Amino acid sequence: QVQLQESGPGRVKPSETLSLTCTVSGGSVSINSYYWSWIRQPPGKGLEWIGYVYYSGSTNYNPSLKSRVAMPIDTSKNQFSLKLSSVTAADTAVYYCVKSSWNWYFDVWGRGTLVTVSS
Amino acid sequence: EIVLTQSPATLSLSPGDRATLSCRASQSVSNYLAWYQQKPGQAPRLLIFDASNRAPGIPARFSGSGSGTDFTLTISSLEPEDFAVYYCQQRVDWPPLTFGGGTKVEIK
Repeated sequence: QVQLQESGPGRVKPSETLSLTCTVSGGSVSINSYYWSWIRQPPGKGLEWIGYVYYSGSTNYNPSLKSRVAMPIDTSKNQFSLKLSSVTAADTAVYYCVKSSWNWYFDVWGRGTLVTVSS
Repeated sequence: EIVLTQSPATLSLSPGDRATLSCRASQSVSNYLAWYQQKPGQAPRLLIFDASNRAPGIPARFSGSGSGTDFTLTISSLEPEDFAVYYCQQRVDWPPLTFGGGTKVEIK
């Protein structure tokens, strides 16, 4: 059973880069039918898909965030990451790392980590 | 971008009631729609995929229907643990993959 765990700072200053890592256990990030996404949820609001990374390193991002997002993957550590640059208060949210299969439905979620953008 | 509109925003019901939640897409998504349940302080959980297929381990009281632009999630008889927020999600036209704004099912 694949499990996901987010880690990273809980507070980031405006204009800096938000960096989170997701550690995958109970399975491999290199399975060729799995895709690894980040989804965020501002406090009290709905869900926003940020993008995905595949084990090969290929990515696809939400156009609204594309200019600020990078999602590297480290197959040797069984981890993938989120880097979001030039953050503002609007980027304050719970960030989830999530697994989907080829059907693009999200069937395994991490517990989420709250990141607050504040000086 | 496909916009998903969920209604109502809040549904006030009692345990044992039938719940009917709606999700309307701004353009056809065929049957490529999922439903998720989110309880306070928890991550969402996949309930239904491809409009009408229950995910593994999901009780039979949850059912989904619809195609094209109009979809329904039905909970046949609400259990206490079903009071939560429900989201729909489409995967037919992306990026981006998009979610609806959610429907909160609360205890009346």
